[in-house]
Amino acid sequence: GEDVEQSLFLSVREGDSSVINCTYTDSSSTYLYWYKQEPGAGLQLLTYIFSNMDMKQDQRLTVLLNKKDKHLSLRIADTQTGDSAIYFCAERRPGTASKLTFGTGTRLQVTL
Amino acid sequence: EPEVTQTPSHQVTQMGQEVILRCVPISNHLYFYWYRQILGQKVEFLVSFYNNEISEKSEIFDDQFSVERPDGSNFTLKIRSTKLEDSAMYFCASRDEGPAFFGQGTRLTVV
Repeated sequence: GEDVEQSLFLSVREGDSSVINCTYTDSSSTYLYWYKQEPGAGLQLLTYIFSNMDMKQDQRLTVLLNKKDKHLSLRIADTQTGDSAIYFCAERRPGTASKLTFGTGTRLQVTL
Repeated sequence: EPEVTQTPSHQVTQMGQEVILRCVPISNHLYFYWYRQILGQKVEFLVSFYNNEISEKSEIFDDQFSVERPDGSNFTLKIRSTKLEDSAMYFCASRDEGPAFFGQGTRLTVV
């Protein structure tokens, strides 16, 4: 399909790991991104992965990419209350404009 | 750290009025974008701009919309005659060959 899909909501306890999943649409997408949006705020680039990589780790964040299944995940280790936000995955399809196609967003709620 | 800046942060306008949303992209970036996010919905692509011209636009970007890079630093989105359904958060983004960086957005409310 044309939509980049994510589950709508995830609730985790502080200190646990969070895993946010995304299914994207275009196997030729060159880059895949994770953005964080806090209430009323803009889109903060968290991390991204190039399509020829399987995994990327950046401090508490681990991105896994399964190109065969067009599946992307973001794992946040030791989740903190400050991680509560909406997380968007986005794919960059090839082409001159290289626009981003965003997922529906996953609201992460971190409880004490 | 360089960032994309947008002004104003919030704009309220009457239906039928023209609005101009302003963006200052990161200085050495060459690709510029506008996206919008209607409240509670996903972020949608509007238009991309490269080498002083539109490189791609979505179905949303109809004749009511235009973009301009009037000087070496600003990138603007104009909506000629606003409609109620134009109410949304508008994000500007820019990039070089790497990832796109977004501004904090302008919340446009059409009343």
